[in-house]
Amino acid sequence: GDSVTQMEGPVTLSEEAFLTINCTYTATGYPSLFWYVQYPGEGLQLLLKATKADDKGSNKGFEATYRKETTSFHLEKGSVQVSDSAVYFCALGESHGGATNKLIFGTGTLLAVQP
Amino acid sequence: ETGVTQTPRHLVMGMTNKKSLKCEQHLGHNAMYWYKQSAKKPLELMFVYNFKEQTENNSVPSRFSPECPNSSHLFLHLHTLQPEDSALYLCASSPGIEIREFFGPGTRLTVL
Repeated sequence: GDSVTQMEGPVTLSEEAFLTINCTYTATGYPSLFWYVQYPGEGLQLLLKATKADDKGSNKGFEATYRKETTSFHLEKGSVQVSDSAVYFCALGESHGGATNKLIFGTGTLLAVQP
Repeated sequence: ETGVTQTPRHLVMGMTNKKSLKCEQHLGHNAMYWYKQSAKKPLELMFVYNFKEQTENNSVPSRFSPECPNSSHLFLHLHTLQPEDSALYLCASSPGIEIREFFGPGTRLTVL
């Protein structure tokens, strides 16, 4: 079945450091790919998404490129801030021809940014 | 704010109690979901409702009983839970025509 694997955390960085959180997927079809973020005490929020190969999703300085050849969707940010500290979830979703869509999530990666 | 609300935000219950979690969305979405979030595990999809009909039940124990009276409301009725059921329970909704889900803030459940 479809699955998502993302790097284990926690990832601890200093402010203004470069961030990469790896995500790879296994899917039989042509899924859409997502990054969700969960700030402390809150639910998940969509951060960015890409719907087809070579698409780049971007938001709030974060970006990820849908790489079909390596089945990856790594999350990057050039300069992290303390306010980026959160848990980041990679997910994939497929359309089932009008039936309810659903997402498959990775385990989440905790990012801690220190001042 | 995603437009999906959940109550209560925190719940402590004994193993013999009966309680219910509530989720509400007024986004006009057709699909609603219950997820369980436990430490160091992927989000576990529990139930899916589409136009008030249950379309998925991922082998969830019968001590969890969902109810979807209309497209805007989703409940999770809890009965004789176990301590290992302690987790964050997240509700989500989806417009259906687009693959994405809008999440509520969750209910932190502790079973004593």
